[in-house]
Amino acid sequence: KQEVTQIPAALSVPEGENLVLNCSFTDSAIYNLQWFRQDPGKGLTSLLLIQSSQREQTSGRLNASLDKSSGRSTLYIAASQPGDSATYLCAVVGGSEKLVFGKGMKLTVNP
Amino acid sequence: DAGVIQSPRHEVTEMGQEVTLRCKPISGHDYLFWYRQTMMRGLELLIYFNNNVPIDDSGMPEDRFSAKMPNASFSTLKIQPSEPRDSAVYFCASTTYRDLEGDTQYFGPGTRLTVL
Repeated sequence: KQEVTQIPAALSVPEGENLVLNCSFTDSAIYNLQWFRQDPGKGLTSLLLIQSSQREQTSGRLNASLDKSSGRSTLYIAASQPGDSATYLCAVVGGSEKLVFGKGMKLTVNP
Repeated sequence: DAGVIQSPRHEVTEMGQEVTLRCKPISGHDYLFWYRQTMMRGLELLIYFNNNVPIDDSGMPEDRFSAKMPNASFSTLKIQPSEPRDSAVYFCASTTYRDLEGDTQYFGPGTRLTVL
């Protein structure tokens, strides 16, 4: 059974710092890995999707990397801003179409 | 496109009552997913459909939960009878898999259910 872990569960940083969010998964047989953002009381917004054949994806200040063999992904946020404060979730799609989520990491960026 | 639409956004009911949650997926998407999110367990998949057919309902917690998709533009998740432990945020998501490696899922805003 696929398990996705995100550590730590919460992080508080001052504005301007470069951040690395970690995600690990137990079964390396995945089709893709996705990073989502969730704001309080809202749904999930997809940030980046990395196909299994890819090593990384970039969107603006965000960069996500994937190392399937070690079961790890990182989300890099450059020059963090208070607007980046949210919960970030990692999810993988394996042998079926199902997304398996981590429990998320709550990020607070202080001005 | 308006995105995935869910109704109601909030529902407060008493234990034992029937609850029906509704979802309208993005037009053209052939996969629909129902998730439940709680503080303790995070985001869990309950059931998903492909072309209106239930594919995997192994995440449905018990027989009190049922889901239907009568057509490509509408799905319901029903809880009967409801219990306080069903209190959670229920999300609907849709997508279309253009290739084996898939596409992202698009989430609705969720329905916050409180069972008293």
